[in-house]
Amino acid sequence: AQSVTQLDSHVSVSEGTPVLLRCNYSSSYSPSLFWYVQHPNKGLQLLLKYTSAATLVKGINGFEAEFKKSETSFHLTKPSAHMSDAAEYFCVVSAGNTGKLIFGQGTTLQVKP
Amino acid sequence: DAGITQSPRYKITETGRQVTLMCHQTWSHSYMFWYRQDLGHGLRLIYYSAAADITDKGEVPDGYVVSRSKTENFPLTLESATRSQTSVYFCASMAGTGIQANEKLFFGSGTQLSVL
Repeated sequence: AQSVTQLDSHVSVSEGTPVLLRCNYSSSYSPSLFWYVQHPNKGLQLLLKYTSAATLVKGINGFEAEFKKSETSFHLTKPSAHMSDAAEYFCVVSAGNTGKLIFGQGTTLQVKP
Repeated sequence: DAGITQSPRYKITETGRQVTLMCHQTWSHSYMFWYRQDLGHGLRLIYYSAAADITDKGEVPDGYVVSRSKTENFPLTLESATRSQTSVYFCASMAGTGIQANEKLFFGSGTQLSVL
């Protein structure tokens, strides 16, 4: 069975400083991993995905994530936070080819001026 | 326009009543999903479907029933609604899995359900 744990329910950064949102996963299969973002009162949007190609994945809006198999982690980073990055972020794991996609509990990112 | 639509957008019902949430997609995506979103729990998978007539349980299936007689529709039924089922429900679809497939979820706008 697969599962995903987002290690922080809430992260607060100042505008212009780096962002780190942490995600650990568990999967019996070689996983696909994703980060989705949900802005207030809006739908969910795919930020980036890892599917066993390059371990460093670049996504939209300057975000990137690194797949580390030895640490079973897929942390999301951004060098410099922008006010518009304030949102809820979800780490998602997929179990092989079953199509079953499991979301983490979410991390709320607050960006202070 | 093509897309994924959910109805109703808002629903208020009473405990014990049967409620059906509708989901329709126009892309002929193989996979469809139902999630509920609750504060502190993120999105939890209720049921998913890999194709017409193929459904499987997710993390929290109890109290819910799904069907997929046609590829484009994936209704979710609460057989006897309880207050704990008050939530925002999201339907999603995906073309396929694996590296070659476009493994990306497309979400509906959500249904806000209140069970009184």
